[in-house]
Amino acid sequence: AQSVSQHNHHVILSEAASLELGCNYSYGGTVNLFWYVQYPGQHLQLLLKYFSGDPLVKGIKGFEAEFIKSKFSFNLRKPSVQWSDTAEYFCAVNGYQGGKLIFGQGTELSVKP
Amino acid sequence: DTGVSQNPRHKITKRGQNVTFRCDPISEHNRLYWYRQTLGQGPEFLTYFQNEAQLEKSRLLSDRFSAERPKGSFSTLEIQRTEQGDSAMYLCASSLGRGQNTEAFFGQGTRLTVV
Repeated sequence: AQSVSQHNHHVILSEAASLELGCNYSYGGTVNLFWYVQYPGQHLQLLLKYFSGDPLVKGIKGFEAEFIKSKFSFNLRKPSVQWSDTAEYFCAVNGYQGGKLIFGQGTELSVKP
Repeated sequence: DTGVSQNPRHKITKRGQNVTFRCDPISEHNRLYWYRQTLGQGPEFLTYFQNEAQLEKSRLLSDRFSAERPKGSFSTLEIQRTEQGDSAMYLCASSLGRGQNTEAFFGQGTRLTVV
């Protein structure tokens, strides 16, 4: 079955701490991978995406993610978080030809100033 | 604003009533998706269109739910005989067609409360 699992439901960090959010997926075939972010009261926005090529992808606001095919993982990282990174983060996958996204359950990140 | 637009933003309805939501995608996008999101969960796929054709419908979607995209532009999602379990955020997204152009852009959603 197609699924996405995010390891942490709620992460609390202090400003300047490093962040890593785990994401594992189960999906047959070639995949596209995404991280979306939802700031309080706002719509889902794309943080970064992987389609092919370099498995280390860089997104907006200093975020990056690494696709490790052998581990079916696409973990999100940021070396130093800011209070403004407080949001909910969703990992998602779809097939190479696009189509519906399968989302993880989300990780709520709270950054203390 | 040229993003995905959803109306209304909020809807409160009594159990048993019918409701209809509208989504206006980004104009050049030929794919349009509906998702449902409940508290503490990620969005769940409901259905999607390529142009006016409904290509896939989730098994989660009961026969009380129907979606249309009559001219391949805006879409409507109707829920008949609403139940309390239908209370959720209904999200619309749009994207370009195939291959690597699969980044989906989301609207702000319609929050449905069934009382």
